[in-house]
Amino acid sequence: DAGVIQSPRHEVTEMGQEVTLRCKPISGHNSLFWYRQTMMRGLELLIYFNNNVPIDDSGMPEDRFSAKMPNASFSTLKIQPSEPRDSAVYFCASSPTGIYNEQFFGPGTRLTVL
Amino acid sequence: KNEVEQSPQNLTAQEGEFITINCSYSVGISALHWLQQHPGGGIVSLFMLSSGKKKHGRLIATINIQEKHSSLHITASHPRDSAVYICAVGNQAGTALIFGKGTTLSVSS
Repeated sequence: DAGVIQSPRHEVTEMGQEVTLRCKPISGHNSLFWYRQTMMRGLELLIYFNNNVPIDDSGMPEDRFSAKMPNASFSTLKIQPSEPRDSAVYFCASSPTGIYNEQFFGPGTRLTVL
Repeated sequence: KNEVEQSPQNLTAQEGEFITINCSYSVGISALHWLQQHPGGGIVSLFMLSSGKKKHGRLIATINIQEKHSSLHITASHPRDSAVYICAVGNQAGTALIFGKGTTLSVSS
């Protein structure tokens, strides 16, 4: 298995632009997690899907952030409009079932908003 | 006060030393995770615990539910163990993860 796949690996954009991050979980995994990591705040869980359904999105910072999981093999995290404070590394992870299982992390997307 | 506290924040060691990293939490939990993040940025899950003790190679993780405390031990440390170690707890409902700030370990030869 290729592991969790994220794209793009790096994204540089200007303030106000729309940004879409993509994630393909490990085949057969039922849970998918989006995280954000910054120097100031460390690692934060943004949203967690189980069987394609959002279970907890309380970590999503504000309405500019949205996440979808249209099927078991694909998820997107969208920021619109982007702001410089959104600059961070965004990780996607998947697990067989929920937070009670080991999670497998993707390589992350480094986002820079100018 | 953070709900998940790790200590120490930074740790330096000589190759071969026994390492202990601590994690204390103040909320009821369903599970506790230990993660490792290497300087390149990749994150690897080391352990998921809900009770007792787990061992994988030179790594041992323990948890004491009553004391709300977990430890990660590394025996015979090696420079390749240099990384940030992150503790995360799952809430009792199983719907969220709360992270510690991480412990930066540097092992020199």
